[in-house]
This record gives sequence, C-alpha cells and structure tokens, in this order.
Amino acid sequence: DAKTTQPTSMDCAEGRAANLPCNHSTISGNEYVYWYRQIHSQGPQYIIHGLKNNETNEMASLIITEDRKSSTLILPHATLRDTAVYYCIVRSSGSARQLTFGSGTQLTVLP
Amino acid sequence: GAGVSQTPSNKVTEKGKYVELRCDPISGHTALYWYRQSLGQGPEFLIYFQGTGAADDSGLPNDRFFAVRPEGSVSTLKIQRTERGDSAVYLCASSLDRATNEKLFFGSGTQLSVL
Repeated sequence: DAKTTQPTSMDCAEGRAANLPCNHSTISGNEYVYWYRQIHSQGPQYIIHGLKNNETNEMASLIITEDRKSSTLILPHATLRDTAVYYCIVRSSGSARQLTFGSGTQLTVLP
Repeated sequence: GAGVSQTPSNKVTEKGKYVELRCDPISGHTALYWYRQSLGQGPEFLIYFQGTGAADDSGLPNDRFFAVRPEGSVSTLKIQRTERGDSAVYLCASSLDRATNEKLFFGSGTQLSVL
C-alpha cells in the first residue's frame, strides 16, 4: 500500500473550516484514500473514503486531486469536539493487507 | 450494545503474568481485528479474524501473543509471560464483512500496564 505524509499538527479556530492535507504520491490506480480520526482515549473512528471523485458525508468532505497524489479532508465548521488525531490511509479495496495507520495529524480546534 | 465493547478498560499486571483481553464486536459483523497502540503512535495491526478463523496473524509480535474467536463473535487476546514492553492500549475493531471491510468500528480499547 502507498505511503502517506501528513503534517504532525495543525490548529484551527472554532467555527472555521479545517483543511487537513495528505500526500500519497505513490498511490496506484486501485487504491482508495481513507480517513479516520481518534479522539483522546477513544478508538479510531471512520470518517470517509474515496477513490477518484470528491466525496461528502455528514462528517466531512474529501477532495482528491486529479492526479490522485494528494487529498484534503475538510471539516466545514470545526468544533472543539473535532480536536483529534486524523489519519490518512491508502489501501486497495479488498486488500489482504490490513489498514496501516501512520502517526497522523493532531488537529487542535481553538475556542 | 450498539458498538464494539472491550473489557476490561484497564488492566494492571506484573511482569511474567498471563492476561486475557476480551472483545465483543458489533452483532452481525463477521470480521474482527486486534490492534495495539503505544503512546504517541498510530494503531499497529496484530491479527484479523474472518468468522472463527484467524485469516491473518502476521502482526502478532511473537508466540507469547495468541487470540481466539471460537464462535465467530466474541474474541479473546491472550498474552503469556507479559513483559513491560507489552504495555499499550489494545484496540479491537469489527466490520460487516471482509469484502467491504473499509469501514472498521473500533472499541475504546484496553489499557494494559505491565509493572
């Protein structure tokens, strides 16, 4: 599975959009981009995933560049409860390999 | 319950002792995963079950670690002769099935402390 690169940490003001970048320059054609987050003292929580097209759900939007070498997770109106570590993971659908978590981005939403 | 349940939430043991950690997955989920998370790091895969069988145990660090899922639901992670380096949060996750296993649902984990 392709390796991902994320900033170690980011801050965002409450009520503003949080844009979390992820680089995955070695992604291959059948690999999806997944995002999970982990709030302190909890297990990771699935947010969203996509292949080529931009995706949106009740939690976030996922913007994938046309060349698929990078993506951005957008939390449109960040709240204090969105403070968490956000993991970007690239993986083939139905792959025999399991989800591999890196170190993620610590997002801190400031009041 | 609606989510993945892990017990105990905290376990303190002494070096050399045996421990068992339990996971109750979401009802109907056939796939079950164990991960381990050390402080400041992302979760690290240990083992994956599809039904009753361990489909992938490549992440188990050594033969002191063993996991079972005898009836295809509840799973137990067993650690023999615990060492201080085993101290970590042990996370369990389940998903509906292997074919659509993109969305994993995690429990809150068991914090294991080996003194």
